[in-house]
Order: sequence, then structure tokens, then C-alpha cells
Amino acid sequence: EAGVAQSPRYKIIEKRQSVAFWCNPISGHATLYWYQQILGQGPKLLIQFQNNGVVDDSQLPKDRFSAERLKGVDSTLKIQPAKLEDSAVYLCASSLVDSGHNEQFFGPGTRLTVL
Amino acid sequence: AQSVTQLDSQVPVFEEAPVELRCNYSSSVSVYLFWYVQYPNQGLQLLLKYLSGSTLVESINGFEAEFNKSQTSFHLRKPSVHISDTAEYFCAVSRPGGYQKVTFGTGTKLQVIP
Repeated sequence: EAGVAQSPRYKIIEKRQSVAFWCNPISGHATLYWYQQILGQGPKLLIQFQNNGVVDDSQLPKDRFSAERLKGVDSTLKIQPAKLEDSAVYLCASSLVDSGHNEQFFGPGTRLTVL
Repeated sequence: AQSVTQLDSQVPVFEEAPVELRCNYSSSVSVYLFWYVQYPNQGLQLLLKYLSGSTLVESINGFEAEFNKSQTSFHLRKPSVHISDTAEYFCAVSRPGGYQKVTFGTGTKLQVIP
């Protein structure tokens, strides 16, 4: 079974530029998550999708971050414009259903450096 | 609101020695508890989880964790560590019910010394 795929693995941009990350979850997984992991901290949930609907985006900085999951499969997270404090690893995860106890499967992450 | 505290950011331990990684949680309601492991340059993987029932849960690679409601703890232990256990370990908490967010701790880096 293929795991969660993410691209790119690394990205370096200058502040005020825009960037997009792509995630393809495990086939059949209805729930998709985007996390931000700043160095020295645990993953912080940015947005959670159930199929193609948003379940929780309370911690997504909506003035600069956006995410979509068209057709309920793969997803894109965008930052525009980027700030220095956005430097982090962006993790995508998926699970079969969302009931709090289902195992989340994580991708390898995209390491973003904003200069 | 729920939260998780991992007091130790780094734990060095010699190979074949025992180890305990501490995790304390805060929640006013029932909880689900998890330990995830992150090997270098990889995503997080579920190590073990407590949902209900027996308070002692085990993983396939020799780790175990015990849910202690009175002390609000879910410490991770292994009686004898191996070099391959070197990784970062994250404790996480969630709640029963649909669309419940998983809250992660700040992580503990386990460094196994040969």
C-alpha cells in the first residue's frame, strides 16, 4: 500500500513570495490533515478535510494561507505572501475516517525555508 | 481544551539500558492517548495508542505505555533500547467523538549511545 505522498520535499523562498505544497493521501482515506511543525515544537493542525469539506480550519492564518481538496482526493496548501515565521516543516496526514482514535498516516513533509 | 506536556526535550541513554519518556496530559473529559515516533527525515508513525480497557498498551518493537488517570500521565517505557530506537517521540491526545482534533506535545529526542 502506497503511503502519503508530498511534494516538494524542500523549498526555499524569499519573504513575500508565494509557495504551494501538494499532498496525495492514501487511497480511500476520507480525512486529510495539514500540520505545521516549527523546529522544536510538535505538529500544529492547520486544516482538516473530510472528503472535500473543511472540518476544522480554526488555526489556519486565513489572510495568507489557503488550502483546497478538490474531488476529495489530493490537496494543495498555499502560502501567499510568505513571512519569515512560516519557516517550518509542513506535514500532510490522512486517515480512513475521523473519530479521534483512527491512526493518522503521515507523509515525509515539506521543509520550507523563508529568507 | 486539551493539552500535552513532554518535559524532556532530549533523553540520552546507553544501548541496552532502560528508558522512560514522560508525558502528562490535561483534559476535563475522557481522552484517547497516542505515542508517535519520527525517524530522521521521515513522517510520524503511530507507535501505540490507548483508547479504553487495559491501561497498559504495547507496541510490536518492545515499547509500552501505561495510562494513569489519577496522575494524568501516559509515560513511554522500554526495558532495553537499541541504536535503531534513536528518533523523536511525540505524545498526543484526542477525545472520543467525531471530528476531534489531535493535539501533539513538543516531542522528546531519544539518543541511544553505543
